[in-house]
Amino acid sequence: QVQLVESGGGVVQPGRSLRLSCAASGFPFSNYAMHWVRQTPGKGLEWVAVIWYDGSRKYYADSVKGRFTISRDNSKNTLYLQMNGLRAEDTAVFYCATEGNSGGYYAGLQNWGQGTVVTVSS
Amino acid sequence: DMQMTQSPSTLSASVGDRVTITCRASQSISTWLAWYQQKPGKAPKLLIYKASSLQSGVPSRFSGSGSGTEFTLTISSLQPDDFATYFCQQYNDYSYTFGPGTKVEIK
Repeated sequence: QVQLVESGGGVVQPGRSLRLSCAASGFPFSNYAMHWVRQTPGKGLEWVAVIWYDGSRKYYADSVKGRFTISRDNSKNTLYLQMNGLRAEDTAVFYCATEGNSGGYYAGLQNWGQGTVVTVSS
Repeated sequence: DMQMTQSPSTLSASVGDRVTITCRASQSISTWLAWYQQKPGKAPKLLIYKASSLQSGVPSRFSGSGSGTEFTLTISSLQPDDFATYFCQQYNDYSYTFGPGTKVEIK
């Protein structure tokens, strides 16, 4: 079955960096666009970034543009999120998710990991 | 920027009730809307995509409708497992915005 396992979260000081990983299994990872989504109690769910199945296109939320970089290694079935210049407001649970595809069109975020917690605090 | 709103923010209902949640987009998104269910401590679960398409494995008591800027999620007969928070999400021009959520509570 589809499994997505995030890792790399932790406590980090403002201004520092962190890299999240999402290990995928149980499906053809290289066929699917992948997303990062974060959630805070105060701001709810916030979409962070998407990367095309082959890594050719990447898009980001305005709140993280220029600070976060999404990437993938299809040979390792792994998705990454490099987070630089972290701020207190980046504190959240970060989820990776597969993009559903219906006839070549966006069909929601189909499968989600369990999430990894990032806390930005001095 | 695209803004999504949901109403109500909280809904109290009983098992067997018909429940409707509304999601509005600040600009037209055609039918590029998805609905998710989330329970405490768990990741969201996809229920509906493209406004009205039921995700595989999701019970048929869930249905979605709408286009343009106004959308609804309906649960035809609320079951005990349905008490959760529901989020809508739009897709437009490589931006994917979530609504603030609607919590469905036991009356």
